[in-house]
Amino acid sequence: QVQLQESGPGLVKPSQTLSLTCTVSGGSISSGDYHWSWIRQPAGKGLDWIGRINTSGSTNYKPSLKSRVTISVDTSQNQFSLKLNSVTAADTAVYFCARMHPLPGGTYDYWGRGTLVTVSS
Amino acid sequence: QSVLTQPPSVSAAPGQKVTISCSGSSSNIGKNHVSWYQQVPGAAPKVLIYDNDKRPSGVPDRFSGSKSGTSATLGITGLQTGDEADYYCGTWDTGLITGVFGGGTKLTVL
Repeated sequence: QVQLQESGPGLVKPSQTLSLTCTVSGGSISSGDYHWSWIRQPAGKGLDWIGRINTSGSTNYKPSLKSRVTISVDTSQNQFSLKLNSVTAADTAVYFCARMHPLPGGTYDYWGRGTLVTVSS
Repeated sequence: QSVLTQPPSVSAAPGQKVTISCSGSSSNIGKNHVSWYQQVPGAAPKVLIYDNDKRPSGVPDRFSGSKSGTSATLGITGLQTGDEADYYCGTWDTGLITGVFGGGTKLTVL
């Protein structure tokens, strides 16, 4: 059974960089043709797709975040990571990591429990 | 503003049936499969339907999905109070080259 777990600081100051890591257990991150994704959810709002990466390092990002976001993968550690720089209060959200199936399916079948990141001084 | 459009809320009595619609465009639902997710407060979303109409093991057959053109529908029969949750549709947008979700629909079982 694949499991994902987000980790990182729960509080980030405005203008600084949000950094989160997702650790995959129960299977190799390199197994299968999956993409590994980050999705966030502000309190009381809907799901907001941030970006994805495959184990070859190919990435796609949400256009409005593209200038501030970097997703990377470390297959040796079975992890992938999110960096979002120049954060503001609008980036306060629960951040989920998830496994995405190949297209045309694109289902997110395994999710982390989510981690709340608050942007505040 | 979400790329996929869902009604903000639906409600029905226990035992009844409800449908939740998800409207998109030719670059997303028109080209790729749709998934449906159920999210209860404080938890991660859980996939209910994938590839438009398939149910993962463990999801009751009270839940069904369909897709036609640029729209998709989630159906829930025999409503139970435990079905109260937020429901999201999701797919890939080939034009935007991003994942997209609907704004979510809150189901109330009266």
